[in-house]
Amino acid sequence: QSALTQPASVSGSPGQSITISCTGTSSDVGGYNYVSWYQQHPGKAPKLMIYDVSNRPSGVSNRFSGSKSGNTASLTISGLQAEDEADYYCSSYTSSSPWVFGGGTKLTVL
Amino acid sequence: QVQLVESGGGVVQPGRSLRLSCAASGFTFSAYTMHWVRQAPGKGLEWVSVISYHGSNKYSADSVKGRFTISRDNSKNTLYLQMNSLRAEDTAVYYCARDLGGYCGGDGCYPRGMDVWGQGTTVTVSS
Repeated sequence: QSALTQPASVSGSPGQSITISCTGTSSDVGGYNYVSWYQQHPGKAPKLMIYDVSNRPSGVSNRFSGSKSGNTASLTISGLQAEDEADYYCSSYTSSSPWVFGGGTKLTVL
Repeated sequence: QVQLVESGGGVVQPGRSLRLSCAASGFTFSAYTMHWVRQAPGKGLEWVSVISYHGSNKYSADSVKGRFTISRDNSKNTLYLQMNSLRAEDTAVYYCARDLGGYCGGDGCYPRGMDVWGQGTTVTVSS
């Protein structure tokens, strides 16, 4: 049950766009469309931002978008805002587990 | 409103047991697959266990298999996690979470993600 691979950190300036990658295998990210992304501020519970690769729950800003190509999923945040500074986790159904998270990415808004 | 509230955390010695509870409200608890997810201090999220809406099908991470048992009481709208033979590496904040609507049955479990989370309860395993 290896974790999905995410960059440890990314950064961007307000107004810019950033993308966080999430790399798995054909047994998880590449084989199924059950990829989701979570935002977590310090000391808070995670919040669902994207599900089923590219769908946004009601109430989530359209500045957040998701996509997938092969074994890699991506979360893009456009028009970066200070409040976006947080940890982000990808996750996916996996045939061996049945669920796995990525290691997490710390987003810094410069 | 839709809400999950965990309880039962605390400080426990290695090798001992603890049972966590998660009280659900604001939605039809018996219709949803439910998860436990944990987060060790300063670390990332780790999926722990999942249970089908009726409670008959359960799956767990290898790291807790044979030690932790997930269960539910739909008449009480409550999810549980029985944790036995606790180890120092089980120290974490434990979250319960509702699944988006994936299928979990005898032929396999296909979660879709977690759309509602509790605030978490802290478990510390230390002598």
